[in-house]
Amino acid sequence: EPEVTQTPSHQVTQMGQEVILRCVPISNHLYFYWYRQILGQKVEFLVSFYNNEISEKSEIFDDQFSVERPDGSNFTLKIRSTKLEDSAMYFCASSAEGVGYTFGSGTRLTVV
Amino acid sequence: GQQLNQSPQSMFIQEGEDVSMNCTSSSIFNTWLWYKQDPGEGPVLLIALYKAGELTSNGRLTAQFGITRKDSFLNISASIPSDVGIYFCAGPDNTDKLIFGTGTRLQVFP
Repeated sequence: EPEVTQTPSHQVTQMGQEVILRCVPISNHLYFYWYRQILGQKVEFLVSFYNNEISEKSEIFDDQFSVERPDGSNFTLKIRSTKLEDSAMYFCASSAEGVGYTFGSGTRLTVV
Repeated sequence: GQQLNQSPQSMFIQEGEDVSMNCTSSSIFNTWLWYKQDPGEGPVLLIALYKAGELTSNGRLTAQFGITRKDSFLNISASIPSDVGIYFCAGPDNTDKLIFGTGTRLQVFP
């Protein structure tokens, strides 16, 4: 069964450093998403991406965040200057259309 | 914004027991989704509901889309240890981004 692949599975970074989280969506999917889950809390929407541009972003997705689809397969989330409160699981998801989402296994980001 | 509240927050049950959890919304959803999240993993879709009143089963799981379109429940029959995890309801808002519920943590004891 097709999968959404995320790397790395765990990233530890110092406060103020830049991190890039990588995702390979399912190949024929057109809609891409990043979600975040702070430990013990619910999954929250960050950003959606379609046709090479951001469709929607949440209040969490401030100027420190950016997304990119640098080639035909990767979809990345960059946090320019990490803060302690950015520590969370970050999930990438993709869909062909509508709500048929497939989620990746996530990247656990720990900011120290 | 739209919010989804789940109850109970957590459940501790014995293997073989049936489980029921529900999800209520402050506003109408046109689709209800139920996900399971294992520790350290992403959410995995269990059941999708598309019509008010719809009752759908997937093995030992049964979910219903409430008539008012503001609630849904998920039942698990004859629970087994691998049912342990966090169960989330979710629904798409008017821009198709998913709104997730607060989650129900299920613990099953042998």
